[in-house]
Amino acid sequence: SAVISQKPSRDICQRGTSLTIQCQVDSQVTMMFWYRQQPGQSLTLIATANQGSEATYESGFVIDKFPISRPNLTFSTLTVSNMSPEDSSIYLCSGRQGFSYNEQFFGPGTRLTVL
Amino acid sequence: TQLLEQSPQFLSIQEGENLTVYCNSSSVFSSLQWYRQEPGEGPVLLVTVVTGGEVKKLKRLTFQFGDARKDSSLHITAAQPGDTGLYLCAGRGSSNTGKLIFGQGTTLQVKP
Repeated sequence: SAVISQKPSRDICQRGTSLTIQCQVDSQVTMMFWYRQQPGQSLTLIATANQGSEATYESGFVIDKFPISRPNLTFSTLTVSNMSPEDSSIYLCSGRQGFSYNEQFFGPGTRLTVL
Repeated sequence: TQLLEQSPQFLSIQEGENLTVYCNSSSVFSSLQWYRQEPGEGPVLLVTVVTGGEVKKLKRLTFQFGDARKDSSLHITAAQPGDTGLYLCAGRGSSNTGKLIFGQGTTLQVKP
């Protein structure tokens, strides 16, 4: 399976600023996803990152707030814009090679705290 | 909208005890995965079940997929402190868009 790294691993940000999280996979993946997770709780899908085109957002998430890029098959970024304390969470990048039953693997997450 | 109800949400047991975690839905899934997550790390895949009625074993962990592919269970025998963590079930619908739908998670604490 592929290995996913994320940068930064954690950050503390001021209200109103933006943070870009980078996700790097060590091999090509068909699909990439961004999730949000409160500590000890389940994962909520933010969007599917599409190579070379606009991401597909889930209900409740919009491009203006969470712009996503995916310039190639191994890299993606998620920006959390105009942050508020409610955006404090863990943001996880995920990738999958192929469809259907293939394993979906996750990065270690970026822990974001907004003051 | 497909939903997965996972229970219990919290479980605190003594070393050596057995436990079962359940994942239930009214929807059919093409496959279901179980993940384990430790603090500061991403979820790690434990198993994927695909066929209705399928049972898979991973050492002291037994996973079962319901006959109708709407539910699943994870049974741990003789739990150890190293089993402590967040357990997540995740189902994949029949569409090849391939989005995983996660249950609420079960936080397991195994006390020595």
